[in-house]
Amino acid sequence: QKEVEQNSGPLSVPEGAIASLNCTYSDRGSQSFFWYRQYSGKSPELIMFIYSNGDKEDGRFTAQLNKASQYVSLLIRDSQPSDSATYLCAVGRNYQLIWGAGTKLIIKP
Amino acid sequence: SQTIHQWPATLVQPVGSPLSLECTVEGTSNPNLYWYRQAAGRGLQLLFYSVGIGQISSEVPQNLSASRPQDRQFILSSKKLLLSDSGFYLCAWSDILNPESSYNEQFFGPGTRLTVL
Repeated sequence: QKEVEQNSGPLSVPEGAIASLNCTYSDRGSQSFFWYRQYSGKSPELIMFIYSNGDKEDGRFTAQLNKASQYVSLLIRDSQPSDSATYLCAVGRNYQLIWGAGTKLIIKP
Repeated sequence: SQTIHQWPATLVQPVGSPLSLECTVEGTSNPNLYWYRQAAGRGLQLLFYSVGIGQISSEVPQNLSASRPQDRQFILSSKKLLLSDSGFYLCAWSDILNPESSYNEQFFGPGTRLTVL
């Protein structure tokens, strides 16, 4: 079992709809969770981080954390073609981030 | 504000040749520094990380090495490249607000795309 798992996709979502990206992790003691976006050929960029159970909103993005079920999700409202990218989930551990393999998201106009 | 630089942006090297990739960070002091490799269509593989000058931890046995000669400079090297060394090499930094913390997000440089022929 991988420490951080994501569905590789691609996930295809119509423009204007809500895109839902999911991530599960195996270490129940994990405390910090990060979502990065990576456009093709570019480096990852941080979108959001979340530490507490519940929802955290930033513009069109909402991160959701459920420590009991060991999953973290990212919702993108009013999806735009520019949101098409690979989304990486990462879990903090000491000095490091443990990475999922990423979910490719395609927003169809 | 903090900035992270990597060079070169792209590199094509023959098998068996040496490698030197450089990463520098501006606008922060004593950062944690990381080298990752990303194969085409794959996730991030942590190669090395450093919590201070001269302090290097290796995550994966390989023919690569890393050095940190200055606080904000991180170098990835190889004496002899293999075909399997091809990939997208990313340098990242995080603040040492709390050395024991798992809360420090990482910020990435633009990357170096290496092709070994």
